[in-house]
Amino acid sequence: GQNIDQPTEMTATEGAIVQINCTYQTSGFNGLFWYQQHAGEAPTFLSYNVLDGLEEKGRFSSFLSRSKGYSYLLLKELQMKDSASYLCAVRDQSASKIIFGSGTRLSIRP
Amino acid sequence: GAVVSQHPSWVICKSGTSVKIECRSLDFQATTMFWYRQFPKQSLMLMATSNEGSKATYEQGVEKDKFLINHASLTLSTLTVTSAHPEDSSFYICSARDPASGSYEQYFGPGTRLTVT
Repeated sequence: GQNIDQPTEMTATEGAIVQINCTYQTSGFNGLFWYQQHAGEAPTFLSYNVLDGLEEKGRFSSFLSRSKGYSYLLLKELQMKDSASYLCAVRDQSASKIIFGSGTRLSIRP
Repeated sequence: GAVVSQHPSWVICKSGTSVKIECRSLDFQATTMFWYRQFPKQSLMLMATSNEGSKATYEQGVEKDKFLINHASLTLSTLTVTSAHPEDSSFYICSARDPASGSYEQYFGPGTRLTVT
């Protein structure tokens, strides 16, 4: 079966750092994505991890531990525009389709 | 980056009618496209994988006779919601990967908001 868990909601302060965790239990694994989605819009790609470790891209970093079935998305220097839902998604065993977690709604306060 | 478009961006239809949603890859060829549905404040639920020139693969619990998928060319997949009911009202999003790019990123269309009255 497929099970991808994320916190439902998080709140952080402008200028601060926030870490959004994702744990997964899937029948196969061929990589993990993080997407950002603003309300009423399509998701936009943030990161892709297939090997263990930290991938840094500007203010956003993503970490993966395959042995623990765990990933996190780290957002630094938070801006108000970062208020959005953040979706963790896993490429399945067939490596063709992506299964999404329930998403984390992040609210940034001034 | 690669661009995926959807049409229409929103549609309102009456219960019992059918609605067709188009998904196009504008600057790349996609042998596979994916259709998702998203209810308010929920995540994306994969409905089916659309394969060019062959039958779509539906996820468990998705009625293939209700959600007809056609992938007639390398740049176009269509989703037809047949005999729509109010509970089919949702945000429908397609995505595609550009196999020529060597990237595993999936590009999403802007979505289609369907309201069934």
